[in-house]
Amino acid sequence: RKEVEQDPGPFNVPEGATVAFNCTYSNSASQSFFWYRQDCRKEPKLLMSVYSSGNEDGRFTAQLNRASQYISLLIRDSKLSDSATYLCVVIKGGNTGKLIFGQGTTLQVKP
Amino acid sequence: EAGVTQFPSHSVIEKGQTVTLRCDPISGHDNLYWYRRVMGKEIKFLLHFVKESKQDESGMPNNRFLAERTGGTYSTLKVQPAELEDSGVYFCASSQDLGRAQYFGPGTRLTVL
Repeated sequence: RKEVEQDPGPFNVPEGATVAFNCTYSNSASQSFFWYRQDCRKEPKLLMSVYSSGNEDGRFTAQLNRASQYISLLIRDSKLSDSATYLCVVIKGGNTGKLIFGQGTTLQVKP
Repeated sequence: EAGVTQFPSHSVIEKGQTVTLRCDPISGHDNLYWYRRVMGKEIKFLLHFVKESKQDESGMPNNRFLAERTGGTYSTLKVQPAELEDSGVYFCASSQDLGRAQYFGPGTRLTVL
């Protein structure tokens, strides 16, 4: 079983749609959580950190459910420029900052 | 402020040759990480430096890979001798503090023929 699991998609949505991605992680000791965005043949870029209380940044909302070991990302009013792969990323904690990546969910926003 | 930089952007070598990748982290970031993405797979951790010390090298595939960070500034990752399965994109990342978000360089695309 993978440590971080995501539905690879692709998710094909029209502009203006709301889309939600989910992610589960296997290690209950995980301490830090992030969503990164990766465009084709580019490096991952931090989209947002995910906090237990949930957090919002413009059109993006992230939620964390520690009991279910589940992370979500909601994108409202999708733009063409949101088309990318969204990576769910976890840090186990301890003395290492090792990031554990999911395989990514591909989003294609169409006009 | 300059981001993480990596050199070269691409490298094509033959099996058995040696390649050295370089990473310059964001200035002031003590934590430097190497990751790799092979085709069709998720990005995987290779190792973590805190300043010049290796904090965690649990992801290094084998002893053909050698990472250094002399002086705690830039880092190099040497592959010697390269094998076909070493092909992939090698990313470097840095962070100011442990457990915080990491910022990635553009990667080095390595092709071993």
